[in-house]
Amino acid sequence: KAGVTQTPRYLIKTRGQQVTLSCSPISGHRSVSWYQQTPGQGLQFLFEYFSETQRNKGNFPGRFSGRQFSNSRSEMNVSTLELGDSALYLCASSLNPARGVNEQYFGPGTRLTVT
Amino acid sequence: TQLLEQSPQFLSIQEGENLTVYCNSSSVFSSLQWYRQEPGEGPVLLVTVVTGGEVKKLKRLTFQFGDARKDSSLHITAAQPGDTGLYLCAGIPGNQFYFGTGTSLTVIP
Repeated sequence: KAGVTQTPRYLIKTRGQQVTLSCSPISGHRSVSWYQQTPGQGLQFLFEYFSETQRNKGNFPGRFSGRQFSNSRSEMNVSTLELGDSALYLCASSLNPARGVNEQYFGPGTRLTVT
Repeated sequence: TQLLEQSPQFLSIQEGENLTVYCNSSSVFSSLQWYRQEPGEGPVLLVTVVTGGEVKKLKRLTFQFGDARKDSSLHITAAQPGDTGLYLCAGIPGNQFYFGTGTSLTVIP
């Protein structure tokens, strides 16, 4: 079974631009979560989508948004990029977080550098 | 203030040594998970502990969930260079996942 895939793997943008990152979950997984990882703050939860609906949201500004498609693929968008948005953005998928223990499977991440 | 505090933050040991990593919180968790992340990759789930006092073993790795379900530990016996990586604990006290501050382990051959 193929794992979680994320595209692109690396991205360089300038301040003020916007960016869209893509995530394809494991086949059959309906939940997709996004995280931002930085050396200073560690892994922080951005949002979770389940069946095309945003179910949970972390404490990030409205510049960060996402969506999920009917095939469970997800995208996240960051508008008006700031230098502090430079980070590894990780996507994780899970089967059905409402049932029992939620075990997440992560993709390799997208390394975003804002200059 | 982080919900899940890990200690130590950094650990550098010689191959063959034993080590323990701690994950502590003031909150109660229904379950806690441990992940290992290697450079340039996403975290990989190692184990999930669910019951207070539970002990799980994965080869040379032993995971324990505290009786009060507020803390957990990871013990590695006879560490090997392949154990090098960032170890993260994670749990869901409410509706979202919280990750620990992380322990960066380096095992020197």
